Amino acid sequence: DTGVSQDPRHKITKRGQNVTFRCDPISEHNRLYWYRQTLGQGPEFLTYFQNEAQLEKSRLLSDRFSAERPKGSFSTLEIQRTEQGDSAMYLCASSLETATHGNQPQHFGDGTRLSIL
Amino acid sequence: QQPVQSPQAVILREGEDAVINCSSSKALYSVHWYRQKHGEAPVFLMILLKGGEQKGHDKISASFNEKKQQSSLYLTASQLSYSGTYFCGTAKTSYDKVIFGPGTSLSVIP
Repeated sequence: DTGVSQDPRHKITKRGQNVTFRCDPISEHNRLYWYRQTLGQGPEFLTYFQNEAQLEKSRLLSDRFSAERPKGSFSTLEIQRTEQGDSAMYLCASSLETATHGNQPQHFGDGTRLSIL
Repeated sequence: QQPVQSPQAVILREGEDAVINCSSSKALYSVHWYRQKHGEAPVFLMILLKGGEQKGHDKISASFNEKKQQSSLYLTASQLSYSGTYFCGTAKTSYDKVIFGPGTSLSVIP
């Protein structure tokens, strides 16, 4: 168990640029979540996957945000045409859900801190 | 809908007790508790499922009143290591996403 890893740890970019983040969950985990966290706030739900299927995307999320989990393993989160308000910590978490045991503990990665200049 | 947490912040001396509350306006299946230290990722503490159970982990325990859609986290004989921000997360069904509250900042001082 190597934990959830996220790459990069920090990203600084100019407004208007596109950015992509990667998350590698714990290998046997079938559920993967993306959250956004700003200072003094709780993790804000963005989207989540069960294997390769995207189950839900937050209605608060603009069309500039997209996420994929093509083979049910790693996931990417892309933000197009970044804006100042996108500056935040982006957290990924994974869990192992089964038919008889849902709502399992989530293991979080250390996050990617995005700063928009 | 985001759960509500209270208090927003609390300062304790070592050895004192604290209670953190979490409530929702929606019917809940489960409540999740996490602790996050400054600059680190949230770390899982415990999950409480529908059924009104109470759980404990060392000197940290929690209860879940499903009729009131409320959960409380109890920290007894607090230690310096308990400092951090505590988040509750709620889910409406066994396979629903978890929505986190705004957090309660807990500071334990010597």
